[in-house]
Amino acid sequence: EVQLLESGGGLVQPGGSLRLSCAASGFTFSSFAMTWVRQAPGKGLEWVSVVSSSGGSTYYADSVKGRFSISRDNSKNTLYLQMNSLRAEDTAVYYCAKLPSAGRGYYFDYWGQGTLVTVSS
Amino acid sequence: EIVLTQSPGTLSLSPGERATLSCRASQSVGSSYLAWYQQKGGQAPRLLIYGASSRATGIPDRFSGSGSGTDFTLTISRLEPEDFAVYYCQHYGSSSWTFGQGTKVEIK
Repeated sequence: EVQLLESGGGLVQPGGSLRLSCAASGFTFSSFAMTWVRQAPGKGLEWVSVVSSSGGSTYYADSVKGRFSISRDNSKNTLYLQMNSLRAEDTAVYYCAKLPSAGRGYYFDYWGQGTLVTVSS
Repeated sequence: EIVLTQSPGTLSLSPGERATLSCRASQSVGSSYLAWYQQKGGQAPRLLIYGASSRATGIPDRFSGSGSGTDFTLTISRLEPEDFAVYYCQHYGSSSWTFGQGTKVEIK
């Protein structure tokens, strides 16, 4: 059974940093691209970033480009999202999800339960 | 950048009724690149449909997807109590993934 467990969320001041983690199990982590998707309170889904299976290719939404960095450790079956220069508008539940292929893929087939990031002074 | 517009914003129906949800793209997109998700309150999204019309693993056959070009539809043939939720369409293109704003299916 595919399981994705996010952690690392919490309260951070504007301009601060936070690193999210997503522990994966139940599939061959190193064979699939992974993504982060966020959802502001009461709002819809917003794609944030994708990393290829090897970690060699990364893609970002314009809203986070230059501030967020996605990475993965295939030896630990873990996905990361380093978030810097955080703004109030980054407040959201952050979900990690799996893509169905090693490369970019077209959709997200399994999702974690999410971790809440609140940016506030 | 392709924009996905979902309609209606809210659909009020009774259990057993048919639900028809629309997702319109701002320009023509490949059917392979269109997916649908279901999100129940306080839960993570769940993949329902990929490639515009293929059901994901474990999805009941009362859910079906169709469409091409700029117009795509998610149909729930007979609403079950557990189907009342928010539904999102999603598109991939040019190394970017985009979601529609969602349609809420509520109990009438």
